[in-house]
Formats: sequence, structure tokens, C-alpha cells
Amino acid sequence: DAGVIQSPRHEVTEMGQEVTLRCKPISGHNSLFWYRQTMMRGLELLIYFNNNVPIDDSGMPEDRFSAKMPNASFSTLKIQPSEPRDSAVYFCASGGGGTDTQYFGPGTRLTVL
Amino acid sequence: GEDVEQSLFLSVREGDSSVINCTYTDSSSTYLYWYKQEPGAGLQLLTYIFSNMDMKQDQRLTVLLNKKDKHLSLRIADTQTGDSAIYFCAESIFYDMRFGAGTRLTVKP
Repeated sequence: DAGVIQSPRHEVTEMGQEVTLRCKPISGHNSLFWYRQTMMRGLELLIYFNNNVPIDDSGMPEDRFSAKMPNASFSTLKIQPSEPRDSAVYFCASGGGGTDTQYFGPGTRLTVL
Repeated sequence: GEDVEQSLFLSVREGDSSVINCTYTDSSSTYLYWYKQEPGAGLQLLTYIFSNMDMKQDQRLTVLLNKKDKHLSLRIADTQTGDSAIYFCAESIFYDMRFGAGTRLTVKP
């Protein structure tokens, strides 16, 4: 199994630009999570999908952030417009199989100049 | 504030045992986890323990859970330089996973 796949691994963009982060969960998992990691705030859950449906998006910072999961094998996290304070590492995780265990992808390091 | 607390730093000598401690606050937690994060990488699941267990051993790793005190520990036997990383403790109630700030383990030769 390839594990959770994220792309790109690194993204550098300028303030105001749109950023799209992508995630492919582990095949067969029915839960998908987007997290943000910063030095100041640690790991923060942004949004949780179950069976492709957003269940909890209370962690999404503001309207500039949106996430979709059009099918069981793909999800996107979009930031429009991006701001320097969005600079962080964004992780996607997937889970399923009757436990709460989450398996993390390698992350996307986003830098907004 | 943090629901899950752990010390920020631990330094040990190669070959010694490392013990990383964690306290959590929610007695409803179903699973408790230890993740390892190496520089520039994602979180790697090391081990987890179901909340009705006291101990779990997996090769060099031993997890102890004291539900009364809401205390979780990870012991790494014969610590190697490759064990240097940040270790995150986490508790989960269904999908809601709460992480500690991470303990940076440094292993000195």
C-alpha cells in the first residue's frame, strides 16, 4: 500500500494567489482529515470527511479555506486568496476499518510570501 | 489550552532507555496513540493502545496507560540515534483526535 499521498510536497506562492493542495487517501479508508501544523499552534484539525461527506469543518479558519472530496480517492484543500499567515505544513490523514486510527501523509509545506 | 500535555524535550544517550510521558484529560478517550515525526516528514504511527488496556509491548516499544491518573508513557528500549525525532501523544474520541505539542527526543552517541 502506498499510504496517504499528498501533492505538492512544497508550494511557494505570493500573497493573494489561489493554492490547491491534494490528497489521495489509503484505499478502503472511509475517513479523511485535513490538519495544519505550525510551531505556534501545533496540529490543528481543519476538516473531517466521512464517506466523502464533510462532517466537521469547525476548524476551517475562515471563508478563504474550502475543502472538497468528490470521491473516495481524492480530496482537495483550497485557499483563496492566500495570506502569509497561512504558511504551515498541511497534512492529510485517512482512517477506517473500525478503529479511530489515522494514517498521515507526508504533508505539504506551504510558504506564502 | 492543550488537552494533551507532554514535556517538550528529552535527551538520552545511545543505548539507554527513553521514557516519554503524556497526560490527557478526557476519560472518554477510546484510543491513545504515539506518533513519531522526523524532520520534514509526516506523522508516523508508532503504536496505539485501547483505553481498556494497561500495557502494550511492541519490540523496543512499551506503552503504559494509567487511566486513573490519565497518564500515558512510551518507553523506547536501547535507544538509537535513528530514534531522534519528535514524538506526539494523542487521544481520540471517535474521529476527534487531540495531539500534544510533541516531545523532541535527542539521542547522543
